[in-house]
Amino acid sequence: EAGVAQSPRYKIIEKRQSVAFWCNPISGHATLYWYQQILGQGPKLLIQFQNNGVVDDSQLPKDRFSAERLKGVDSTLKIQPAKLEDSAVYLCASSLDVGGYSNQPQHFGDGTRLSIL
Amino acid sequence: AQTVTQSQPEMSVQEAETVTLSCTYDTSESDYYLFWYKQPPSRQMILVIRQEAYKQQNATENRFSVNFQKAAKSFSLKISDSQLGDAAMYFCAYRSGEGGGADGLTFGKGTHLIIQP
Repeated sequence: EAGVAQSPRYKIIEKRQSVAFWCNPISGHATLYWYQQILGQGPKLLIQFQNNGVVDDSQLPKDRFSAERLKGVDSTLKIQPAKLEDSAVYLCASSLDVGGYSNQPQHFGDGTRLSIL
Repeated sequence: AQTVTQSQPEMSVQEAETVTLSCTYDTSESDYYLFWYKQPPSRQMILVIRQEAYKQQNATENRFSVNFQKAAKSFSLKISDSQLGDAAMYFCAYRSGEGGGADGLTFGKGTHLIIQP
């Protein structure tokens, strides 16, 4: 089975510019997650979708970050405007769970490394 | 909120020997899952092993096993017969099993495992 696909793999922008990341989950996976992994730290959940609805966005900096999952499949994460502290790897993950009782593992993509100059 | 603590930033082991990585967590929930993920330089998070909190038996996957001490909120990973391919960052992670849909992973800061040939 094909894994979680993310693009681009690398992105370099200047502060105050905007950037978008794309994620295509494993086919049939209803739940999709975006994580931010700052260098030297573990990933931190930004947002969780169940189909095309938001389940948890409590840690998403909503003044500059936005995410959508149209039609319950692909998802995009956007940052506008970017700050220096947004330099990180952005990981997308998906799982088979519809929600409720979670007993399926999350499968991760290779991530996008974002560098802010 | 749940927290996960990995107190060993780096561990080193000789090839073919055994190493144990430590993890403690804090939660008020009774139903949850614990995971160990491996992250090589390629950045993809790879699931190593998982443990359901309601199971008393420690999980085992080939050379990987855990020591789950629920009362002490401890979840250590033992790697037997260490191989060069085991070198990576290892992250301990917590996932709520309480239902309600929000089940993003909470990660520790990671342990960098070095395998000495």
